[in-house]
Amino acid sequence: SQQGEEDPQALSIQEGENATMNCSYKTSINNLQWYRQNSGRGLVHLILIRSNEREKHSGRLRVTLDTSKKSSSLLITASRAADTASYFCATDTGNQFYFGTGTSLTVIP
Amino acid sequence: NAGVTQTPKFQVLKTGQSMTLQCAQDMNHEYMSWYRQDPGMGLRLIHYSVGAGITDQGEVPNGYNVSRSTTEDFPLRLLSAAPSQTSVYFCASNPTGPFTEAFFGQGTRLTVV
Repeated sequence: SQQGEEDPQALSIQEGENATMNCSYKTSINNLQWYRQNSGRGLVHLILIRSNEREKHSGRLRVTLDTSKKSSSLLITASRAADTASYFCATDTGNQFYFGTGTSLTVIP
Repeated sequence: NAGVTQTPKFQVLKTGQSMTLQCAQDMNHEYMSWYRQDPGMGLRLIHYSVGAGITDQGEVPNGYNVSRSTTEDFPLRLLSAAPSQTSVYFCASNPTGPFTEAFFGQGTRLTVV
């Protein structure tokens, strides 16, 4: 079974609003990463948070990690139409790398 | 700087045919990986390599072979294609570890009929 699951599966917001998506996983991890995929393209790495970190920021992105709940969240602030994409979490378990099923984000101009 | 280059972009195979998906990177990364992406599912790791001559299995290795003779190239071979292997295949390279920041190619869309 898959290690990571995102929710919601789909999210539609107005430009300028914040977008939050969540990722839950099942086993202990070394790190958790978030990736973005524009339609028909390869994935682009956004941010990596290690298991001993609780929060990390990169530009308009804020990632939190709660290892006791085995969950992470990705917050995109002040969203733009260009943020429209699918977002995936990925977990490093030490000997395997698992991607979640993704959240499809639509930002309406 | 091309990054990770995959060829071909599209391919149609008949059941039982063999083929090799090519992947090349020009970033001198030690680590490379292959994934498949199916509708409604996240990417699943097929095989990965931690350096020239060293490969290991991922989550879904059956039906696929890999080898890594150079740092730059990491081809994925399908020996006898099956309809279940219809998918989009992504190659990636990593600078600091097999499961850290990954740089992805643009993908190969494979259909097996």
